[in-house]
Amino acid sequence: GQNIDQPTEMTATEGAIVQINCTYQTSGFNGLFWYQQHAGEAPTFLSYNVLDGLEEKGRFSSFLSRSKGYSYLLLKELQMKDSASYLCAGYNQGGKLIFGQGTELSVKP
Amino acid sequence: GAVVSQHPSRVICKSGTSVKIECRSLDFQATTMFWYRQFPKQSLMLMATSNEGSKATYEQGVEKDKFLINHASLTLSTLTVTSAHPEDSSFYICSARGRGGVTDTQYFGPGTRLTVL
Repeated sequence: GQNIDQPTEMTATEGAIVQINCTYQTSGFNGLFWYQQHAGEAPTFLSYNVLDGLEEKGRFSSFLSRSKGYSYLLLKELQMKDSASYLCAGYNQGGKLIFGQGTELSVKP
Repeated sequence: GAVVSQHPSRVICKSGTSVKIECRSLDFQATTMFWYRQFPKQSLMLMATSNEGSKATYEQGVEKDKFLINHASLTLSTLTVTSAHPEDSSFYICSARGRGGVTDTQYFGPGTRLTVL
């Protein structure tokens, strides 16, 4: 089976750095995705990690450790518009993208 | 990134009517399309997977006779909610994946907000 866990909500201050963690257990692994979803909108793709290590993309970075079943999304220089839900997702053995419950990030001035 | 469109973006209907939602991949051929449903404050739940030219496979607990899926071409999939009831009110989101299979990114449509009165 597959379980993906992430914190339900987090709060951070504008300009700060925040790390959103995701742990997963899966019988098959084909990479880990992070998506951003604003209220009432569909998810937008942020990153895809299939190898261990950190991948940086502007203010957002994503890290993966396959041996630990662990990933995190790092957001730097937080802006108010970063307030959103961040979804960790991975493919199961059937090739279906399965989502964690999402982390609701609130950025405060 | 790739573009996926959905139509309509919002629909309000009476209980007992059927509603069709279209999902199109605009700039790539989607061999596989997925339909998700999301209730408020919850994550996306996969309803079904469809491959072009073949029958959709439904997740456990999803009624295939109620949620009809047709993947008519490599760029179009439709979801029809038949005899809709208030409990079917939800945010329906499609996504599409290209020929790269599981190594390919899934791109999401903008979603359809269905309200059944």
